[in-house]
Amino acid sequence: AQSVTQLDSHVSVSEGTPVLLRCNYSSSYSPSLFWYVQHPNKGLQLLLKYTSAATLVKGINGFEAEFKKSETSFHLTKPSAHMSDAAEYFCVVTPAGGYNKLIFGAGTRLAVHP
Amino acid sequence: GAGVSQSPSNKVTEKGKDVELRCDPISGHTALYWYRQSLGQGLEFLIYFQGNSAPDKSGLPSDRFSAERTGGSVSTLTIQRTQQEDSAVYLCASSAFPGVEGTEAFFGQGTRLTVV
Repeated sequence: AQSVTQLDSHVSVSEGTPVLLRCNYSSSYSPSLFWYVQHPNKGLQLLLKYTSAATLVKGINGFEAEFKKSETSFHLTKPSAHMSDAAEYFCVVTPAGGYNKLIFGAGTRLAVHP
Repeated sequence: GAGVSQSPSNKVTEKGKDVELRCDPISGHTALYWYRQSLGQGLEFLIYFQGNSAPDKSGLPSDRFSAERTGGSVSTLTIQRTQQEDSAVYLCASSAFPGVEGTEAFFGQGTRLTVV
């Protein structure tokens, strides 16, 4: 069975400091992995996605994520937080193959302080 | 339109009434998903349509919930005899090539349902 665990429900950082949002997954198949962001009262926007082409993935707004198969992790990072990064972040896995159900983590709320 | 469109954006209904929520996916997308997001909670899977296959209804919380997708395009989520615990944001998403590596889902802005 496939599952996603976001290890922190809340993360608080100061503006200009690094961001780390942790995600571990479980998948029986070669997964596709995604990070989505949801700003307050907004829809979900794709930040970045992993395919087998590259283990280090760059996304929008300076975010990156590294796929580590040995650790079954797909942590999201950003070198320097900005106030506008305050939002809810969701890690999502879908197994490869004919059935593409999106499996969401519980989400991590990122707060950025001046 | 270029994106997933949901209507209405907001719906206030009285307890016990039926409601219909509509989703217009991106043209040509074969997969369509419904999720529910309660206040301060993550996303709860409701139902998944893929082409002409039988939908995966495993996430529907009760038999008061149903959904259909006509002509492989527009989908309607119906909640009968609404209860206060049904209050949430209902999100629809679609994707073009489910099962193909890296295929992303595109989300609508959601319908905020309030049952009073």
